[in-house]
Amino acid sequence: EIVLTQSPGTLSLSPGERATLSCRASQSVSSSYVAWYQQKPGQAPRLLVFGASSRATGIPDRFSGSGSGTDFTLTISRLEPEDFAVYYCQQYGSSPLYIFGQGTKLEIK
Amino acid sequence: EVQLLESGGGLVQPGGSLRLSCAASGFTFSSHGMSWVRQAPGKGLEWVSGISGSADTIYYADSVKGRFTISRDNSKNTLYLQMNSLRVEDTAVYYCAKKGIFGLIIIHAFDIWGQGTMVTVSS
Repeated sequence: EIVLTQSPGTLSLSPGERATLSCRASQSVSSSYVAWYQQKPGQAPRLLVFGASSRATGIPDRFSGSGSGTDFTLTISRLEPEDFAVYYCQQYGSSPLYIFGQGTKLEIK
Repeated sequence: EVQLLESGGGLVQPGGSLRLSCAASGFTFSSHGMSWVRQAPGKGLEWVSGISGSADTIYYADSVKGRFTISRDNSKNTLYLQMNSLRVEDTAVYYCAKKGIFGLIIIHAFDIWGQGTMVTVSS
């Protein structure tokens, strides 16, 4: 079973700064099957990126995804106040069908 | 507006049963795979079960296999999760989620989520 490890666990930054979130898979995965979500307290997750680098509908272009093989990255180029949340990576595979990372909390410094 | 609305959560004793429903609107329900994803209090996301649009393909996480049953009624635009032999560790918010499509391409991610329904298993 593939394991997704996100780092750091918590990232403390200020509005306007650049955020780089990492997701590492325990074995190579297809980039077509990697997605990123944002979740705010008391809300459902929201899809940000699919296929490792394609932005979902309505997602601002300050969000970008990249990576291949075992290492994937979500970058937020210039943090807005509403971007502080928990971020999850996700991989579509075989068993279990979908796997999520443990999450990175992006907090205001 | 594309929307998913879960219901059926509540408090149940260990060993008990519960049936969750997810009413879909704003899209052609029968054309999309659906899943249930749960989140224990203060924890991360865990995929539970998935079903194809025509219900001919069904998957379960090992943690719920043999205890939970996913189904759908495309005539009612509704997804279900029958949960039997519930355990304390099944306590979570349960979300239904729609498998995404971007243009004409099926994407292996969830583009629409419901607001969630809380299931608490406790004596």
